[in-house]
Parts: sequence; C-alpha cells; structure tokens
Amino acid sequence: QVQLQESGPRLVRPSETLSLTCTVSGGSTSSYYWNWIRQSPGKGLEWIAYIYHAGYTKYNPSLMSRATISMDTSKNHFSLKVNSVTAADTAVYYCARAGVRAMYSEFDYWGQGILVTVSS
Amino acid sequence: EIVMTQFPLSLPVTPGEPASISCRSSQSLLYYNGNNNLDWYVQKPGQSPQLLIYLASNRASGVPDRFTGSGSDTDFTLTISRVEPEDVGVYYCMHTVETPPTFGQGTKVEIK
Repeated sequence: QVQLQESGPRLVRPSETLSLTCTVSGGSTSSYYWNWIRQSPGKGLEWIAYIYHAGYTKYNPSLMSRATISMDTSKNHFSLKVNSVTAADTAVYYCARAGVRAMYSEFDYWGQGILVTVSS
Repeated sequence: EIVMTQFPLSLPVTPGEPASISCRSSQSLLYYNGNNNLDWYVQKPGQSPQLLIYLASNRASGVPDRFTGSGSDTDFTLTISRVEPEDVGVYYCMHTVETPPTFGQGTKVEIK
C-alpha cells in the first residue's frame, strides 16, 4: 500500500521560504507524477506543481515562479519550496500521486496534509 | 484559467434517498481524444480528499457503485443513488484539461 507523509516546519515567517518534504513508502518515486496541492479557507483547493522522476516539472502560474519542486529518488521523496511567503500562503499542504495515465489528475494517493501558518 | 462552479454548495440529504451535485466549467473539458477531463473527489471530515470518479464517468478503485459520474463538455453531475451516512463530506469537481487544473468550491453533503 502506497503511503505519503508530509513533513516540514509548521510556522514560517513572512518573506521567508516554506520548505516541505513528502516521503513515499510502499512505492517508488521513479514512476508516476508526484504533486503538491494546498487547501486554504480563502482559496479552497489549489494545485501547486508536479514532478516526474526524469526531472520534468510544471507549476501553477498563480505562484509566479515562487515555487520549486524537486525530487530525490534515492531517498524516495520529493519536496516543495515556496519563497517570499505571505499570509496568503497559509494552508494545509498535501502531497499526492497522480494516476498511472495522468500528470495532474486521478490523484489516487494523498498524504494526510500539513498545516503551514505564515506569521511573524 | 478555467473556473469550476458547483451547485448546490450545501446539500442536506436523507439516508436512502438519491442526491446529485452539479459542476459547470467555464470552458469545454472535452479533450481531442474524446475524454472529458474531469475528476470528482470527496473530503470526509478530518481527512484528505479521496478520488471518486475520473474522466467524468469512471469509478475509481474501491468506490461503491452507488456513485455515478456523468456529463460532457461543460456540464457534469455526480449522483449518489442511495445516500449512506458515511457519504457525508465535501465533494469537489476538478478539471484536468489544461494547466493549471482547478477545483470547484465544494458541495457539503450532510445528513438531514
């Protein structure tokens, strides 16, 4: 059974960088597309980015190049950085695996989510 | 970006009765290959979203057959044939036809 677990600081100061890692167990990051999605009261569910093991990435233009997704297949995890954060980046951040046919759809496995608060 | 609009936003239901949720997209979700690129998810209280339906009408693995997805182009429907108490939660549609994929606002299903 594939399991995903988000980890990282839960409190980030404004203008600093949010850094999260998603560790995958029961499956390999060397296949499938791996995604980050966030959920905030104000904006609902928002797709952030995906990565494929070959290094292919795609981002939501709304983050205006503040986001960077990366992967370490040797550790079977992938990561997200969002720089220059503001209160609007406060959200529950989820990592999720896209379906076998998909890049950013058919999310069949999700992490439990991690609440990140941006505050001084 | 494509805007997804769901209605109703709140849906009180009686166990054993049917329920339907509508989702409308601001642009066609019909892909050149004939697929409609729309997923449905449910987020049960305190949980992460779970995939229910993909490509508008395909049930995900393990999803009970009381859940049916239908529709095409810009108008889609999720139907629960007989609501069970464990179906309470917030239901989201999501398009995946272009970048960025976007979600609807969610429809909260609760038991009357």
